Amino acid sequence: AQKITQTQPGMFVQEKEAVTLDCTYDTSDPSYGLFWYKQPSSGEMIFLIYQGSYDQQNATEGRYSLNFQKARKSANLVISASQLGDSAMYFCAMREYRGSTLGRLYFGRGTQLTVWP
Amino acid sequence: NAGVTQTPKFRILKIGQSMTLQCTQDMNHNYMYWYRQDPGMGLKLIYYSVGAGITDKGEVPNGYNVSRSTTEDFPLRLELAAPSQTSVYFCASSFSREIEETQYFGPGTRLLVL
Repeated sequence: AQKITQTQPGMFVQEKEAVTLDCTYDTSDPSYGLFWYKQPSSGEMIFLIYQGSYDQQNATEGRYSLNFQKARKSANLVISASQLGDSAMYFCAMREYRGSTLGRLYFGRGTQLTVWP
Repeated sequence: NAGVTQTPKFRILKIGQSMTLQCTQDMNHNYMYWYRQDPGMGLKLIYYSVGAGITDKGEVPNGYNVSRSTTEDFPLRLELAAPSQTSVYFCASSFSREIEETQYFGPGTRLLVL
């Protein structure tokens, strides 16, 4: 089974609008962390935001927030006030506390976000 | 502070050739990882290391080898390149395996095998 599922291959949003990128995850480990990375066309992976499984509040980092719904196993990324520079591929990733491959991240397939003027 | 550096940025190989992808980090991180990213896909783990002298396989290790003689360096060796190894390769590092620890990525190496 897929550890991370991103069901939106592509999303479009107008500048200054908010957009939600979906992510669901699958784990039986009670301790885990969820990450979002941005990959612009230049190719590098940029860390955006982190949410721990025991965190009581949703994580926020500037215009980025993570809508964490533990019972539904979802960790959606919300970008407020979109900017043209937000156009990129966005990856959701998870790290489990247990497991044989220590510390590795499991990645989804990504969502290509396009911000138009 | 350079972070994670990778060389080369881009390489074309012929089928059957070999090469080494270099990865260096200057953050004194213990954990290092090699991922590959195929078109339209997420990253898949090839190999990882928890410290100098200790390496282990990830989910797609076939056709690759690694070594970790120092904390800083984690080279990935491709033996007998095949078209299926055409991909973008990312090296990453983190200080620990704690859940909240951020992994820092290098800029990637684009490899084309013809």
